[in-house]
Amino acid sequence: QKEVEQDPGPLSVPEGAIVSLNCTYSNSAFQYFMWYRQYSRKGPELLMYTYSSGNKEDGRFTAQVDKSSKYISLFIRDSQPSDSATYLCAMMNTGFQKLVFGTGTRLLVSP
Amino acid sequence: GAGVSQSPSNKVTEKGKDVELRCDPISGHTALYWYRQSLGQGLEFLIYFQGNSAPDKSGLPSDRFSAERTGGSVSTLTIQRTQQEDSAVYLCASSHLRGQGVNEKLFFGSGTQLSVL
Repeated sequence: QKEVEQDPGPLSVPEGAIVSLNCTYSNSAFQYFMWYRQYSRKGPELLMYTYSSGNKEDGRFTAQVDKSSKYISLFIRDSQPSDSATYLCAMMNTGFQKLVFGTGTRLLVSP
Repeated sequence: GAGVSQSPSNKVTEKGKDVELRCDPISGHTALYWYRQSLGQGLEFLIYFQGNSAPDKSGLPSDRFSAERTGGSVSTLTIQRTQQEDSAVYLCASSHLRGQGVNEKLFFGSGTQLSVL
């Protein structure tokens, strides 16, 4: 079993829809949770960062962490065609220097 | 430069040949990472540098893989006697190590697409 599980998709939605992306994990020591966005033929870029449990909002994006369920989510409101990309969750223990990534979910937002 | 630079962007090689992949991190970033991304596999950690030393090289798949970093800047990932299963995108990332030792923000390059025929 992988440490981090993520549905690869693709997830296809119409423009304006609310998108929900999710990851589950098995390592209860993870404390730092991130979402990266990766466009085709580009490297991932950090989108959202959350420490421990709770919510964080940034514009149209909301990240949620539920440590009791070992479940994290990224919500995108009013989705745009420019949001079409692969979204990777990533997480890390305190004191460790490497991120453990999910496989990524490919999102397609149609006009 | 403004971002992490990797070269070449594409590399096609024959099975059994050696390849070198280069990474120029963001100036001043002390931490440097190599990841490998294969279809459907996500990002696989290979090695981490802090300055010129590699405290964690646990992700290197075999002794055919090696990496070095000089002057606390440029890093080279070398794959000897390449195999077809080495075909993947090799991504480099850098970050500025924070005081408490947690790097949550990695800046990635665009990667090198390696194809082994």
